[in-house]
Amino acid sequence: GAVVSQHPSWVICKSGTSVKIECRSLDFQATTMFWYRQFPKQSLMLMATSNEGSKATYEQGVEKDKFLINHASLTLSTLTVTSAHPEDSSFYICSARLGQGAITRYGYTFGSGTRLTVV
Amino acid sequence: QKEVEQNSGPLSVPEGAIASLNCTYSDRGSQSFFWYRQYSGKSPELIMSIYSNGDKEDGRFTAQLNKASQYVSLLIRDSQPSDSATYLCAVSPRDGNKLVFGAGTILRVKS
Repeated sequence: GAVVSQHPSWVICKSGTSVKIECRSLDFQATTMFWYRQFPKQSLMLMATSNEGSKATYEQGVEKDKFLINHASLTLSTLTVTSAHPEDSSFYICSARLGQGAITRYGYTFGSGTRLTVV
Repeated sequence: QKEVEQNSGPLSVPEGAIASLNCTYSDRGSQSFFWYRQYSGKSPELIMSIYSNGDKEDGRFTAQLNKASQYVSLLIRDSQPSDSATYLCAVSPRDGNKLVFGAGTILRVKS
C-alpha cells in the first residue's frame, strides 16, 4: 500500500531557529500533499496544500512566510518552520493522495508525524 | 454550521459491547467518506471507507452511509480496550480536492 515517510519523528529546537520536516512518498508519486498541525487534544488543522512544481496553497490564518512549503518532486514535500517560537510547538503531520481523482477511492495516507518542541 | 460534525465524546463503552460513532456532513454532493483512528500521540490511520448508501463491513467494523440524511456512522462490535482512541470522520466534498475532517470522537473501552 501507499506509504508516506515523515522525518524527523520529533525535534527540539531553540526559539528563533528554523526546523525542516520532510515527507516522502515511498512507493507512489504524490502530486498533492497536505500539511496539518495538531495541538494537544485538538483536531487536525489543515495548514496548506502542496502541489508538485507549484506554490503551496495556505489556509486562512496560516503565515506562508513562517511555514515554508516546498514540493520540488513527486516524492518529496518539505515544511520549514522559520524563526520558531514556543507557540509553534505542536504535532505536524503530512499526508498524500494518489493524483487527481484518487481521493475518492483511497482518501489520504498519513505520515507518522513530527513532534516539534520549541524551547 | 461545520462541514463535518461529530460528537466529541468521550464515548465510554464496556469491553465486548458495540460502540456507535456518528458523523453528519453539510455538502450534499459529497462523494466519499472515511473513518480514521488516531491513538494519542500518533498520526491517523484509515480503517474504513464507504462510497454508496448502505452498510460496509470489515471485520469488527461496519460503516453505514445515508446520503439522504447526510449521515455516516461507524459501528465497532466486540469493543476492545485497544479500540480506545479518537475516531475521525472525513468527507470528500463535491469538488473532491481535499478531505474535510470532523473534530473527532474520543472512544474509551473499559475492561
